[in-house]
Amino acid sequence: NAGVTQTPKFQVLKTGQSMTLQCAQDMNHNSMYWYRQDPGMGLRLIYYSASEGTTDKGEVPNGYNVSRLNKREFSLRLESAAPSQTSVYFCASSRDNGAYGYTFGSGTRLTVV
Amino acid sequence: GENVEQHPSTLSVQEGDSAVIKCTYSDSASNYFPWYKQELGKGPQLIIDIRSNVGEKKDQRIAVTLNKTAKHFSLHITETQPEDSAVYFCAASKGNNAGNMLTFGGGTRLMVKP
Repeated sequence: NAGVTQTPKFQVLKTGQSMTLQCAQDMNHNSMYWYRQDPGMGLRLIYYSASEGTTDKGEVPNGYNVSRLNKREFSLRLESAAPSQTSVYFCASSRDNGAYGYTFGSGTRLTVV
Repeated sequence: GENVEQHPSTLSVQEGDSAVIKCTYSDSASNYFPWYKQELGKGPQLIIDIRSNVGEKKDQRIAVTLNKTAKHFSLHITETQPEDSAVYFCAASKGNNAGNMLTFGGGTRLMVKP
């Protein structure tokens, strides 16, 4: 029972480089989310996908794009990485929006130098 | 939109003591309140949740209480153990209508001293 799988676990980027964070869930969940967590801070929503085929901005979407590739996969792309994007990124999924608990992945620790 | 405030931001207790973390929410239409535990280097994990049709829910050493009138809910951990040391997040949502996602509190770092 894999749950939510995120790749990679760690990544170091140079300023201006691009990369895509991958997320896949095997629970047949409808909704998926991307959060960032900075040191000493809580979870901030970047983008979410309420259902396959839809995506919407969250609290901190600037500098990011997302793709809901299919029901299982939801990717986060940094087109031109900046040091301010150094953070731990979590993907999560849920059966339907906020009516049920979220299942989180183990995170991607990203450093932009 | 919904606003969830969580207190305290840090909490240190002696092993065996009880710990209480409190959250308040702003939207009276919220009806689902989960709690998450995040251990170092891991993602948050759901540990208990409560819906607005009940006032209290227990699961072994942890319990959650809900006061809808005052719009606050609390996590109670009894007989704390070192493995309870983690960051705890509360959250609230209005249920399963489109767009009604979880709003998280700012987190509480719990330290249980042996």
